[in-house]
Amino acid sequence: KAGVTQTPRYLIKTRGQQVTLSCSPISGHRSVSWYQQTPGQGLQFLFEYFSETQRNKGNFPGRFSGRQFSNSRSEMNVSTLELGDSALYLCASSLTRQGPTEAFFGQGTRLTVV
Amino acid sequence: KNEVEQSPQNLTAQEGEFITINCSYSVGISALHWLQQHPGGGIVSLFMLSSGKKKHGRLIATINIQEKHSSLHITASHPRDSAVYTCAVFSGSRLTFGEGTQLTVNP
Repeated sequence: KAGVTQTPRYLIKTRGQQVTLSCSPISGHRSVSWYQQTPGQGLQFLFEYFSETQRNKGNFPGRFSGRQFSNSRSEMNVSTLELGDSALYLCASSLTRQGPTEAFFGQGTRLTVV
Repeated sequence: KNEVEQSPQNLTAQEGEFITINCSYSVGISALHWLQQHPGGGIVSLFMLSSGKKKHGRLIATINIQEKHSSLHITASHPRDSAVYTCAVFSGSRLTFGEGTQLTVNP
Protein backbone atom coordinates (compact mmCIF):
# COMPACT_ATOMS: atom_id res chain seq x y z
CA LYS A 1 0.00 0.00 0.00
CA ALA A 2 1.60 3.28 -1.09
CA GLY A 3 2.18 5.89 1.59
CA VAL A 4 1.38 9.58 1.52
CA THR A 5 3.07 11.19 -1.46
CA GLN A 6 4.00 14.84 -1.59
CA THR A 7 5.33 16.62 -4.64
CA PRO A 8 7.61 18.27 -5.27
CA ARG A 9 10.12 17.37 -2.56
CA TYR A 10 12.08 20.58 -2.94
CA LEU A 11 11.17 23.95 -4.33
CA ILE A 12 12.89 27.32 -4.60
CA LYS A 13 10.78 30.38 -5.31
CA THR A 14 11.34 34.11 -5.18
CA ARG A 15 9.42 36.59 -3.08
CA GLY A 16 6.10 37.58 -4.57
CA GLN A 17 5.64 34.38 -6.53
CA GLN A 18 2.99 31.82 -5.82
CA VAL A 19 3.42 28.09 -5.29
CA THR A 20 1.24 24.99 -5.36
CA LEU A 21 2.09 21.86 -3.42
CA SER A 22 0.44 18.51 -3.90
CA CYS A 23 -0.42 15.68 -1.54
CA SER A 24 -1.76 12.27 -2.49
CA PRO A 25 -3.12 10.45 0.56
CA ILE A 26 -3.07 6.76 1.26
CA SER A 27 -5.67 5.00 -0.85
CA GLY A 28 -9.01 5.05 0.94
CA HIS A 29 -8.08 7.92 3.25
CA ARG A 30 -10.48 10.83 2.96
CA SER A 31 -8.98 13.30 5.42
CA VAL A 32 -5.92 15.34 4.48
CA SER A 33 -4.29 17.84 6.81
CA TRP A 34 -1.50 20.28 6.07
CA TYR A 35 1.19 21.46 8.50
CA GLN A 36 4.04 23.94 8.36
CA GLN A 37 7.32 23.19 10.11
CA THR A 38 9.82 25.97 10.75
CA PRO A 39 12.78 26.05 13.13
CA GLY A 40 11.28 28.95 15.04
CA GLN A 41 7.63 27.91 15.26
CA GLY A 42 7.84 24.14 15.11
CA LEU A 43 4.92 22.27 13.59
CA GLN A 44 1.75 24.24 13.06
CA PHE A 45 -1.62 23.24 11.67
CA LEU A 46 -2.65 24.89 8.41
CA PHE A 47 -5.94 23.27 7.41
CA GLU A 48 -7.80 20.01 7.11
CA TYR A 49 -9.96 18.70 4.29
CA PHE A 50 -12.45 15.90 4.34
CA SER A 51 -14.48 14.87 1.31
CA GLU A 52 -13.51 18.00 -0.62
CA THR A 53 -14.57 20.34 2.20
CA GLN A 54 -12.29 22.40 4.39
CA ARG A 55 -13.37 21.50 7.91
CA ASN A 56 -10.76 23.26 9.99
CA LYS A 57 -8.27 26.06 9.49
CA GLY A 58 -5.28 27.19 11.51
CA ASN A 59 -4.10 30.73 12.17
CA PHE A 60 -2.49 31.51 8.85
CA PRO A 61 -3.13 34.47 6.53
CA GLY A 62 -5.41 34.21 3.54
CA ARG A 63 -2.38 33.81 1.27
CA PHE A 64 -2.46 30.17 2.32
CA SER A 65 -5.25 28.21 0.72
CA GLY A 66 -6.00 24.69 -0.29
CA ARG A 67 -8.44 22.37 -1.88
CA GLN A 68 -9.24 18.69 -2.10
CA PHE A 69 -10.34 16.79 -5.16
CA SER A 70 -12.86 14.00 -5.48
CA ASN A 71 -10.04 11.42 -5.41
CA SER A 72 -8.94 12.89 -2.02
CA ARG A 73 -5.75 14.37 -3.46
CA SER A 74 -5.13 17.78 -2.00
CA GLU A 75 -3.27 20.86 -3.10
CA MET A 76 -2.01 23.73 -1.03
CA ASN A 77 -1.36 27.14 -2.54
CA VAL A 78 0.63 30.03 -1.16
CA SER A 79 0.38 33.34 -2.99
CA THR A 80 2.64 36.39 -2.76
CA LEU A 81 5.42 34.41 -1.14
CA GLU A 82 7.38 35.94 1.72
CA LEU A 83 10.80 34.95 3.04
CA GLY A 84 9.13 33.70 6.21
CA ASP A 85 7.17 31.15 4.22
CA SER A 86 10.35 29.10 3.85
CA ALA A 87 9.53 25.89 5.65
CA LEU A 88 8.88 22.19 5.40
CA TYR A 89 5.26 21.66 4.44
CA LEU A 90 3.84 18.33 5.54
CA CYS A 91 0.59 16.68 4.79
CA ALA A 92 -0.98 13.85 6.71
CA SER A 93 -3.80 11.58 5.70
CA SER A 94 -6.28 9.77 7.88
CA LEU A 95 -9.00 7.25 7.19
CA THR A 96 -11.71 9.36 8.74
CA ARG A 97 -12.01 12.43 10.86
CA GLN A 98 -14.58 10.81 13.13
CA GLY A 99 -12.99 9.85 16.42
CA PRO A 100 -9.36 8.97 17.16
CA THR A 101 -7.62 8.14 13.96
CA GLU A 102 -4.00 7.55 13.09
CA ALA A 103 -2.34 10.12 10.90
CA PHE A 104 0.22 9.10 8.29
CA PHE A 105 2.67 11.74 7.17
CA GLY A 106 4.25 12.40 3.81
CA GLN A 107 7.94 13.22 3.41
CA GLY A 108 7.14 16.88 3.01
CA THR A 109 7.93 19.60 0.53
CA ARG A 110 10.81 21.85 1.50
CA LEU A 111 10.06 25.33 0.21
CA THR A 112 12.79 27.95 0.11
CA VAL A 113 11.81 31.52 -0.66
CA VAL A 114 14.67 33.76 -1.77
CA LYS B 1 1.37 28.60 27.98
CA ASN B 2 1.45 26.12 25.09
CA GLU B 3 -1.38 23.65 24.85
CA VAL B 4 1.17 20.83 24.55
CA GLU B 5 4.39 20.87 26.50
CA GLN B 6 7.24 18.41 26.28
CA SER B 7 10.25 17.79 28.43
CA PRO B 8 13.12 17.70 28.14
CA GLN B 9 13.81 19.80 25.07
CA ASN B 10 17.20 18.18 24.61
CA LEU B 11 18.41 14.83 25.87
CA THR B 12 21.80 13.17 25.47
CA ALA B 13 22.21 9.56 26.51
CA GLN B 14 24.76 6.79 26.30
CA GLU B 15 23.95 3.72 24.28
CA GLY B 16 21.98 1.25 26.36
CA GLU B 17 20.38 3.80 28.67
CA PHE B 18 16.67 3.91 29.43
CA ILE B 19 15.09 7.10 28.13
CA THR B 20 11.87 8.88 29.05
CA ILE B 21 10.29 11.81 27.27
CA ASN B 22 7.27 13.46 28.82
CA CYS B 23 4.30 15.26 27.31
CA SER B 24 1.61 17.25 29.11
CA TYR B 25 -1.39 18.84 27.47
CA SER B 26 -4.11 21.19 28.60
CA VAL B 27 -6.91 20.57 26.06
CA GLY B 28 -9.42 17.82 25.70
CA ILE B 29 -8.16 15.26 23.24
CA SER B 30 -9.40 12.22 21.41
CA ALA B 31 -5.94 10.76 20.84
CA LEU B 32 -2.24 11.47 21.18
CA HIS B 33 0.51 10.71 18.71
CA TRP B 34 4.20 10.20 19.32
CA LEU B 35 6.15 11.17 16.22
CA GLN B 36 9.75 10.57 15.25
CA GLN B 37 11.75 12.66 12.80
CA HIS B 38 15.34 11.87 11.83
CA PRO B 39 17.56 14.70 10.53
CA GLY B 40 16.47 15.54 7.01
CA GLY B 41 13.85 12.84 7.19
CA GLY B 42 10.12 12.71 7.20
CA ILE B 43 7.82 12.27 10.14
CA VAL B 44 6.87 8.80 11.27
CA SER B 45 4.03 8.14 13.65
CA LEU B 46 5.34 5.77 16.32
CA PHE B 47 2.17 5.41 18.33
CA MET B 48 -1.36 6.66 18.51
CA LEU B 49 -2.85 6.39 22.00
CA SER B 50 -6.23 7.16 23.44
CA SER B 51 -5.76 5.23 26.67
CA GLY B 52 -3.40 2.92 28.52
CA LYS B 53 -0.13 1.73 27.11
CA LYS B 54 1.33 0.52 23.84
CA LYS B 55 4.60 -1.27 23.14
CA HIS B 56 6.50 -1.74 19.90
CA GLY B 57 9.92 -3.29 20.17
CA ARG B 58 12.04 -1.16 22.48
CA LEU B 59 9.50 1.66 22.50
CA ILE B 60 6.74 2.02 25.06
CA ALA B 61 4.15 4.78 25.21
CA THR B 62 1.74 5.44 28.04
CA ILE B 63 -1.05 7.93 28.52
CA ASN B 64 -2.99 9.04 31.59
CA ILE B 65 -6.12 10.78 30.36
CA GLN B 66 -7.12 12.05 33.82
CA GLU B 67 -3.74 13.65 34.41
CA LYS B 68 -3.40 14.77 30.77
CA HIS B 69 0.06 13.30 30.54
CA SER B 70 1.88 10.89 28.28
CA SER B 71 5.35 9.40 28.30
CA LEU B 72 7.50 7.80 25.65
CA HIS B 73 10.09 5.33 26.89
CA ILE B 74 12.98 3.85 24.95
CA THR B 75 14.67 0.84 26.48
CA ALA B 76 18.27 -0.12 25.61
CA SER B 77 18.73 3.05 23.56
CA HIS B 78 20.83 2.92 20.41
CA PRO B 79 22.52 5.64 18.32
CA ARG B 80 19.96 5.06 15.57
CA ASP B 81 17.30 6.29 18.02
CA SER B 82 18.82 9.77 17.70
CA ALA B 83 16.02 11.92 16.35
CA VAL B 84 13.46 14.52 17.31
CA TYR B 85 10.49 13.05 19.16
CA THR B 86 7.29 15.06 19.18
CA CYS B 87 3.99 14.48 20.86
CA ALA B 88 0.90 15.70 19.08
CA VAL B 89 -2.63 15.73 20.42
CA PHE B 90 -5.70 15.19 18.31
CA SER B 91 -8.34 17.70 19.34
CA GLY B 92 -11.28 18.12 17.01
CA SER B 93 -9.88 17.40 13.60
CA ARG B 94 -6.48 18.97 14.07
CA LEU B 95 -3.17 17.96 15.56
CA THR B 96 -1.46 20.32 17.99
CA PHE B 97 2.23 19.64 18.46
CA GLY B 98 4.68 19.90 21.28
CA GLU B 99 8.00 21.57 20.63
CA GLY B 100 9.82 18.29 20.27
CA THR B 101 12.64 16.62 22.13
CA GLN B 102 16.00 16.35 20.42
CA LEU B 103 17.45 13.00 21.47
CA THR B 104 21.09 12.15 20.89
CA VAL B 105 22.33 8.69 21.78
CA ASN B 106 26.09 8.36 21.84
CA PRO B 107 27.84 5.03 21.21
